[in-house]
Amino acid sequence: EAGVAQSPRYKIIEKRQSVAFWCNPISGHATLYWYQQILGQGPKLLIQFQNNGVVDDSQLPKDRFSAERLKGVDSTLKIQPAKLEDSAVYLCASSLGGGGVGPYTGELFFGEGSRLTVL
Amino acid sequence: KNEVEQSPQNLTAQEGEFITINCSYSVGISALHWLQQHPGGGIVSLFMLSSGKKKHGRLIATINIQEKHSSLHITASHPRDSAVYICAVRSNKLIFGTGTRLQVFP
Repeated sequence: EAGVAQSPRYKIIEKRQSVAFWCNPISGHATLYWYQQILGQGPKLLIQFQNNGVVDDSQLPKDRFSAERLKGVDSTLKIQPAKLEDSAVYLCASSLGGGGVGPYTGELFFGEGSRLTVL
Repeated sequence: KNEVEQSPQNLTAQEGEFITINCSYSVGISALHWLQQHPGGGIVSLFMLSSGKKKHGRLIATINIQEKHSSLHITASHPRDSAVYICAVRSNKLIFGTGTRLQVFP
């Protein structure tokens, strides 16, 4: 079974530039998450999709961050314009279901992450 | 105060030692995840549990819902176990701890 695919693995940009990250979840997984992980901290949820609908984007800085999952499969996360404090690893994860109830549907599968450095 | 607290923050051990990492939380949850993150790598899900105990190889995870506490145990630790171990709880959303950095020396 293929895992969660993310690209690019690494990206270096200057502040005020824009960047986009792509995620392809495990086939059949309805729920997709984007997390931001700053060095030394735990992951912070940016946005959660259930199929192509947004379930939670309360911590997404909407003035500069946007995300979409148009066909309910792969997703893109965009930052425009980037700030120095956006330097982090952007993790994509997927799960079969999103409710978290039950031992199987809530299990999370993470991609390798996209490491962003903003100079 | 964080809703999910892990201890210790850093842990060093000699190969073969028994290791325990603790996680305490303050919210009502439906499940708790233990995750492993290697340096520069992605995150791997080790366990998801909502009660009792689970075992996979040398790893054991337990949870006490009444005490809002979970532990991750590693028996016969090995240098390849060196990683950051993250506890995450699912309430209305997934809340992550800041992780425990484990280094196992030969």
